[in-house]
Amino acid sequence: AQKITQTQPGMFVQEKEAVTLDCTYDTSDQSYGLFWYKQPSSGEMIFLIYQGSYDEQNATEGRYSLNFQKARKSANLVISASQLGDSAMYFCAMREGLPSGGSYIPTFGRGTSLIVHP
Amino acid sequence: SAVISQKPSRDICQRGTSLTIQCQVDSQVTMMFWYRQQPGQSLTLIATANQGSEATYESGFVIDKFPISRPNLTFSTLTVSNMSPEDSSIYLCSVLDGGVSNEQFFGPGTRLTVL
Repeated sequence: AQKITQTQPGMFVQEKEAVTLDCTYDTSDQSYGLFWYKQPSSGEMIFLIYQGSYDEQNATEGRYSLNFQKARKSANLVISASQLGDSAMYFCAMREGLPSGGSYIPTFGRGTSLIVHP
Repeated sequence: SAVISQKPSRDICQRGTSLTIQCQVDSQVTMMFWYRQQPGQSLTLIATANQGSEATYESGFVIDKFPISRPNLTFSTLTVSNMSPEDSSIYLCSVLDGGVSNEQFFGPGTRLTVL
């Protein structure tokens, strides 16, 4: 079964508008971390935001915020005030367990292509 | 935060040949990973590079095809052996920062085209 599901293969947004990119996950672990990455056409993977399973507050980093709904197992990325440079692929990822041991293997979703229109 | 460099950044190779990709990190890290990203696809984990011991490979990947070395905590290599056009991908080195941020850092990637 897919551990990370991104149901939107492509999204379009007008410049300066907000956009939400969906991500749902599947795990039976109590400890896990959720991540969002941006991959522009250059190919590099840029870390955007992290949410730990025990974090009570939604993570925020500048224009990025993570709408974490634990009961629904969703971790949507919200980008406010979209800019043309936000056009890229966005990947949701999850790591289960703890960094110090166990099968701490990251899993990535299939990605969402975001295009920001002027 | 860890800074990762990869060499080469891109290459075009003939089928049947092998290519070794290097990954250098500017600090000691516990966990290093190698990913493959085929055109238009998500990232697929090839293996976890273990310092001083054999890499741990994911299902569908074998040591004979993707030998990995990790002689110390800052360096690793991935070799793509006996290449075919299906091996054309971006290969990404990644490290895990086990500190407060729990951030996973990626190298810039190696774009491989096999003719």
